[in-house]
Amino acid sequence: AQRVTQPEKLLSVFKGAPVELKCNYSYSGSPELFWYVQYSRQRLQLLLRHISRESIKGFTADLNKGETSFHLKKPFAQEEDSAMYYCALRGQGGSEKLVFGKGTKLTVNP
Amino acid sequence: GAGVSQSPSNKVTEKGKDVELRCDPISGHTALYWYRQSLGQGLEFLIYFQGNSAPDKSGLPSDRFSAERTGGSVSTLTIQRTQQEDSAVYLCASSSPGRKGYTFGSGTRLTVV
Repeated sequence: AQRVTQPEKLLSVFKGAPVELKCNYSYSGSPELFWYVQYSRQRLQLLLRHISRESIKGFTADLNKGETSFHLKKPFAQEEDSAMYYCALRGQGGSEKLVFGKGTKLTVNP
Repeated sequence: GAGVSQSPSNKVTEKGKDVELRCDPISGHTALYWYRQSLGQGLEFLIYFQGNSAPDKSGLPSDRFSAERTGGSVSTLTIQRTQQEDSAVYLCASSSPGRKGYTFGSGTRLTVV
């Protein structure tokens, strides 16, 4: 079964501090992992995909198959990073649906 | 259209009534998904349409929930005999063929009173 776990419901950091949002997954094959973000009063949007190996808004995430993790990191958090973050997994073959974690609400304090 | 459009944006209904939620995906997107977003529950998958294939209904929580996608475009999610626990934001998303992410609509906030 596919499962995504985000252990922190809430995460609070100060501006300029490093931030790491944790994501662990359960999947027997080779998954695709995504991070989605929802800013206040905005729609859910794609932040980054592990396949792209890109950095968006200073965020990066590395897929660690040994630890089955896909943690989202940013070295210096900004107030505008405050949002709800969802980790998501899509398996290979069969259904293309995404399985989401329950989300982590990040608050960056001034 | 330019994005995924959902209507209505808000719906308040009385317990026991039926409701219909509409989703208009991005033109050319063959896949369409419905999710439910509740506080503390994250995004719960409901149903997935891909082209002309049979939909994946594995996430529908009960037989009160059903969805259609007509002509490979617009989709309607119907909830019959609504209950208070159905109150949530219902999100629709669409995607194009290939291994890419979804584009989400702004959702319909359903409140059952």
